[in-house]
Amino acid sequence: DVKVTQSSRYLVKRTGEKVFLECVQDMDHENMFWYRQDPGLGLRLIYFSYDVKMKEKGDIPEGYSVSREKKERFSLILESASTNQTSMYLCASSELAGTGVGTQYFGPGTRLLVL
Amino acid sequence: AQTVTQSQPEMSVQEAETVTLSCTYDTSESDYYLFWYKQPPSRQMILVIRQEAYKQQNATENRFSVNFQKAAKSFSLKISDSQLGDAAMYFCAYRSEGGADGLTFGKGTHLIIQP
Repeated sequence: DVKVTQSSRYLVKRTGEKVFLECVQDMDHENMFWYRQDPGLGLRLIYFSYDVKMKEKGDIPEGYSVSREKKERFSLILESASTNQTSMYLCASSELAGTGVGTQYFGPGTRLLVL
Repeated sequence: AQTVTQSQPEMSVQEAETVTLSCTYDTSESDYYLFWYKQPPSRQMILVIRQEAYKQQNATENRFSVNFQKAAKSFSLKISDSQLGDAAMYFCAYRSEGGADGLTFGKGTHLIIQP
């Protein structure tokens, strides 16, 4: 089974802090994704990566950056956390497009509260 | 840009009955993939069922089946013999063919199972 893990289930940070959310997958997937989930808005794509050191902006990249130094690890960085970044953050991974349907497998999520 | 619409914020069904969750989408592409994901309370998002747009046959997975109407851009999920464990948020999602792009999600339907 595919396993996607996230470093924290719950996180409380203060406004202005730099926040790192870590995601690791064990299926050798090329693609990794970060989503933000808010009630009534569904999931929205923040950033994705299709290879090591490669990244692409999603629909709502403002205020975020990412890092992918190793294939299995994809980090989401909040450079200066703000209260409007309080949310649930979900990481996902998938196989390379063209090798299959590209089903995304999700981690358990990190619920971030910014005070 | 693609959009996914789930018009039912909440649905309720009696245990052992059948329920259908609606999903429509808007796209100009001819090749794509559609997914239904389930997110139980405080638990991980998991794939329920997926459909390739080029396949005319509707996908089925045990008690879960879809009604895929490509011309109408409709992708509904039918759950037969509903069980208490089916209670969850259900998200419909779209992915373009061949890209590493992320999924485009609907806002979700909260499914309640009445014992």
